[in-house]
Amino acid sequence: EVQLVESGGGLVQPGRSLRLSCAASGFTFDDYAMHWVRQAPGKGLEWVSGISWNSGSIGYADSVKGRFTISRDNAKNSLYLQMNSLRAEDTALYYCAKDKTDIVATTHFDYWGQGTLVTVSS
Amino acid sequence: QSVLTQPPSASGTPGQRVTISCSGSSSNIGSNYVYWYQQLPGTAPKLLIYRNNQRPSGVPDRFSGSKSGTSASLAISGLRSEDEADYYCAAWDDSLSGPAFGGGTKLTVL
Repeated sequence: EVQLVESGGGLVQPGRSLRLSCAASGFTFDDYAMHWVRQAPGKGLEWVSGISWNSGSIGYADSVKGRFTISRDNAKNSLYLQMNSLRAEDTALYYCAKDKTDIVATTHFDYWGQGTLVTVSS
Repeated sequence: QSVLTQPPSASGTPGQRVTISCSGSSSNIGSNYVYWYQQLPGTAPKLLIYRNNQRPSGVPDRFSGSKSGTSASLAISGLRSEDEADYYCAAWDDSLSGPAFGGGTKLTVL
């Protein structure tokens, strides 16, 4: 059974940093691309970032480019999102999503975690 | 403002057929596959339709997807109370170099 478990969310002040993690199990992690997708309270889905199976291809939404860094550790079956210079508008539930393919350039998210909440507020 | 445009709400009675539209452009729907996600209240999104009209295993055939030009639609036939959820369309956008989501449609079963 595929499982994606996010962690690392919490309350953080504007301008500070936070690192999210996603622990994956139930599939061969290094065969697939992975993504972070967020959902602000009461709002829709927004793709944040994606990383290919071997970290060779990475993409970011314009809203987070230069502030967020996605990475993965295939030996640990884990996905990460380093979030710096956080803003109030980054407040959201952050989902880890598995891609059906090994590349970033798709929208085929076949499994999702339950999300970890990030609140940016003073 | 979402790149893909969906109606904010839709409704139907049990047994009815409802459709949800998704409008885009040549850089997204017009040149890439469309995906649909269902988000039941308080839960994570779930893949409902992939590659325009394919259903993952376990998704009932009451759900169907279609695409024409720069628009797509999701049809739900034999509407049931458990279909009450938010539905999102998505497609890769060549201009953004990333996935684009619609704003979501809240489906109410009356």
